[in-house]
Amino acid sequence: DTAVSQTPKYLVTQMGNDKSIKCEQNLGHDTMYWYKQDSKKFLKIMFSYNNKELIINETVPNRFSPKSPDKAHLNLHINSLELGDSAVYFCASSHGGRSTDTQYFGPGTRLTVL
Amino acid sequence: KNQVEQSPQSLIILEGKNCTLQCNYTVSPFSNLRWYKQDTGRGPVSLTIMTFSENTKSNGRYTATLDADTKQSSLHITASQLSDSASYICVVSAGQFYFGTGTSLTVIP
Repeated sequence: DTAVSQTPKYLVTQMGNDKSIKCEQNLGHDTMYWYKQDSKKFLKIMFSYNNKELIINETVPNRFSPKSPDKAHLNLHINSLELGDSAVYFCASSHGGRSTDTQYFGPGTRLTVL
Repeated sequence: KNQVEQSPQSLIILEGKNCTLQCNYTVSPFSNLRWYKQDTGRGPVSLTIMTFSENTKSNGRYTATLDADTKQSSLHITASQLSDSASYICVVSAGQFYFGTGTSLTVIP
C-alpha cells in the first residue's frame, strides 16, 4: 500500500494555465506538507498544514494555494502558471507538526511549464 | 544568515568502500538535524535524526554524527552497495526547516 501518493506523476502545461496536484496519505497523520524541488535538487518547503493551522512559507507566491478537503488529503492549486514554476513538487505527511516527527514523502509530481 | 552547506557536491566510490558526507550549518537556534536519502525519481526518505544532546545515531550501515559546538554533521556509509547511489540531504530544523543542497553519491561495481 502506498503511504503517500500524488497524482499526476507528470504534468506538462502552458504558461498562464491553472492546474492542481493531488496528494493523499493513508497513514492517519495529522500534518501534511508541500515541497518544491528545483532543477538543482534544492528542496524548499512551501506549506505545512494540519486541521488547525496553515503555515505558509512567505516566499511562496499567492498563485499557489493548498486545499484540504479532509485530513487525508492536501491538494495544491496553482494559478497562472509561469515558466519558473517548473519543478518537482513533493507532498509529505507526519504524525504531528513537530520538527522531530518523521516526514513521509510522496513520489513527486514533475511539473513542466511551456 | 541561516545556511546549510554540504560537501562534496558529488562523489563516486567503488562498491564495498566506505565514504563520509559532510554537512556544515550556521542555523540558530538549533533544534535537530536530519539526514535524508533520495533515490532518483523518488521522494526523500529519512535516515537519521539527531537532537542537540545526541552526537551519533546509526541506521544499519549509515552512521550520522553531530558536533553542535562546531555546527558540523557527517554521514558515514559503511561497505557501500550499489543501492546506496542516491542524493543525501542534510536538513537542520530551527523553527523552520533549512535544507542543504545535497551530495550526489554514485556507487560503481
